[in-house]
Amino acid sequence: DQQVKQNSPSLSVQEGRISILNCDYTNSMFDYFLWYKKYPAEGPTFLISISSIKDKNEDGRFTVFLNKSAKHLSLHIVPSQPGDSAVYFCAASGGRDDKIIFGKGTRLHILP
Amino acid sequence: GAGVSQSPRYKVTKRGQDVALRCDPISGHVSLYWYRQALGQGPEFLTYFNYEAQQDKSGLPNDRFSAERPEGSISTLTIQRTEQRDSAMYRCASSLEGQGRGPLHFGNGTRLTVT
Repeated sequence: DQQVKQNSPSLSVQEGRISILNCDYTNSMFDYFLWYKKYPAEGPTFLISISSIKDKNEDGRFTVFLNKSAKHLSLHIVPSQPGDSAVYFCAASGGRDDKIIFGKGTRLHILP
Repeated sequence: GAGVSQSPRYKVTKRGQDVALRCDPISGHVSLYWYRQALGQGPEFLTYFNYEAQQDKSGLPNDRFSAERPEGSISTLTIQRTEQRDSAMYRCASSLEGQGRGPLHFGNGTRLTVT
């Protein structure tokens, strides 16, 4: 059973437009959420996180929104740039389990 | 170096052999995680440590898999009697904070191929 779900395997967005990556979770005990970015042949790198006491966290072009009632979070990238083309993973932790669980990822293609 | 270091980068082994994968975390990091990642999938949790204590090993697939971090720094993931289905990328990550908080810093992984 997948506790962190990224239902879109891939997404294509025009350069300069907004990219929105979605993530759903099933464990109501999760209270800390992270987004990672991965280029080919490299390990995932941390992008941005959010605690459940907030509903929004912003860092430059990246904003994460958290909707606890819907158990949904999203990552907004604006404006999208060619270097944003990568696989993005959503991850979560919390409750009695401190382990960090990852989704399957969404491949983002930024089109010129 | 300043990052998480994993060795070897690539490992090819014959079915039935034992392998040991090493992870050298960022100095001073409390937590150390092991993940397995199949092609096109997200990192699959295996086990994690806070300092030298193994906090959770619920993700280890079976008793052929074990991990240790005896001095709270370097960790070894051991797979005994390897099988072809063990072939995957094995990733280690460390975090300054424990208890699932703080970003994970990943190494470049060990690509294991069992023939």
